[in-house]
Amino acid sequence: QVQLQESGPGLVKPSQTLSLTCTVSGGSISSGGYYWSWIRQHPGKGLEWIGYIYYSGSTYYNPSLKSRVTISVDTSKNQFSLKLSSVTAADTAVYYCARALLVPARLGYWGQGTLVTVSS
Amino acid sequence: DIQMTQSPSSLSASVGDRVTITCQASQDISNYLNWYQQKPGKAPKLLIYDASNLETGVPSRFSGSGSGTDFTFTISSLQPEDIATYYCQQYDNLPPRLTFGGGTKVEIK
Repeated sequence: QVQLQESGPGLVKPSQTLSLTCTVSGGSISSGGYYWSWIRQHPGKGLEWIGYIYYSGSTYYNPSLKSRVTISVDTSKNQFSLKLSSVTAADTAVYYCARALLVPARLGYWGQGTLVTVSS
Repeated sequence: DIQMTQSPSSLSASVGDRVTITCQASQDISNYLNWYQQKPGKAPKLLIYDASNLETGVPSRFSGSGSGTDFTFTISSLQPEDIATYYCQQYDNLPPRLTFGGGTKVEIK
């Protein structure tokens, strides 16, 4: 059974970089066939896709966040990571990592989510 | 960019009622449409994939239909444990990206 777990600071100051890591267990990121994804949910709002990465390192980002987002993968640790730069209060959200089956992409496994608050 | 319009944004129904949620895409997305259930404080859960396929382990009272631009999600007989927010999600492959509908909050009357 694949499991995903987000980790990282729960509080980030404005203008700094938000950094989160997702650790995958029960399956190898290197096995291929999946996009490793980040999704966020603003408090009381809907879901927003941030982007995803293939194990080879190919990345695809939401155009609305592309200038500030970097997703990377560390296959040796079976982890992938999210960096979001120049954060503001508008980036306060629950951040989820998830595994998406390749075409057509569906998100079959999710982490529990982690709340990141942007505040001084 | 493909836009997804989900309706209604909320609904209230009685236990045993048939519940229907719709999702409309701004352009043809074939059957690249999935449905998720999210309970408060929890991560979303995949219920229906490729418009009409039931994910393993999901009760058969949940179903989906549609193709092209118009899609429907149905709960045939609403149960108390179905109280949640439901989201549609489309997949675009040029370039690869995901878009979610705005969500439908389902409550018991």
